[in-house]
Amino acid sequence: EIVMTQSPATLSVSPGERATLSCRASQSVSSNLAWYQQKPGQAPRLLIYGASTRATGIPARFSGSGSGTEFTLTISSLQSEDFAVYYCQQYNNWPKTFGQGTKVEIK
Amino acid sequence: EVQLVESGGGLVQPGRSLRLSCAASGFTFDDYAMHWVRQAPGKGLEWVSGISWNSGSIGYADSVKGRFTISRDNAKNSLYLQMNSLRAEDTALYYCAKDMAAAPKGWFDPWGQGTLVTVSS
Repeated sequence: EIVMTQSPATLSVSPGERATLSCRASQSVSSNLAWYQQKPGQAPRLLIYGASTRATGIPARFSGSGSGTEFTLTISSLQSEDFAVYYCQQYNNWPKTFGQGTKVEIK
Repeated sequence: EVQLVESGGGLVQPGRSLRLSCAASGFTFDDYAMHWVRQAPGKGLEWVSGISWNSGSIGYADSVKGRFTISRDNAKNSLYLQMNSLRAEDTALYYCAKDMAAAPKGWFDPWGQGTLVTVSS
């Protein structure tokens, strides 16, 4: 099983600032990496797939990068609606494992 | 609009069974693989099981293998999860999610709102 490790667990950021979230895979997943956003009481929402492709309707302030084992989600200028938990997921292998999540909170 | 609506959750005693359903609409159901993902209270996401468009490819997390069975009925646009020998650690919100492909090899979009399963005596 591929283990996905996200860091940091919690990120405190002021509105308008940049947020950088990391995700590491225990073995290569190529570019088969997705990012999801989850707000309290809501289902996860797809942000990024293929490591760097924004899903339909996702603002350009969200960007993804990386391949192999190291990945990054960057939110260029945090808006109030961006404070949430973010999960990475590899879909290169079964089982399709998720990271433990990074909570982005208001500083 | 793509919609996924889960049902069938509830309170069940350890060792008993429960069957979850997911009703899909707004897309051609039999063109896509489907998945179940769960989230224990206050915890992260755990993939549970996935099934290809024609049920020819099925996978399970080790934590549920041998106890849970995924299935689908393309004529009814429905996905199912039969959960047997339930344990306290199966307590979670269970989400249904659509794959991006016919084979269960892609990302998940969208997700339903989930159905809560509580295993307790």
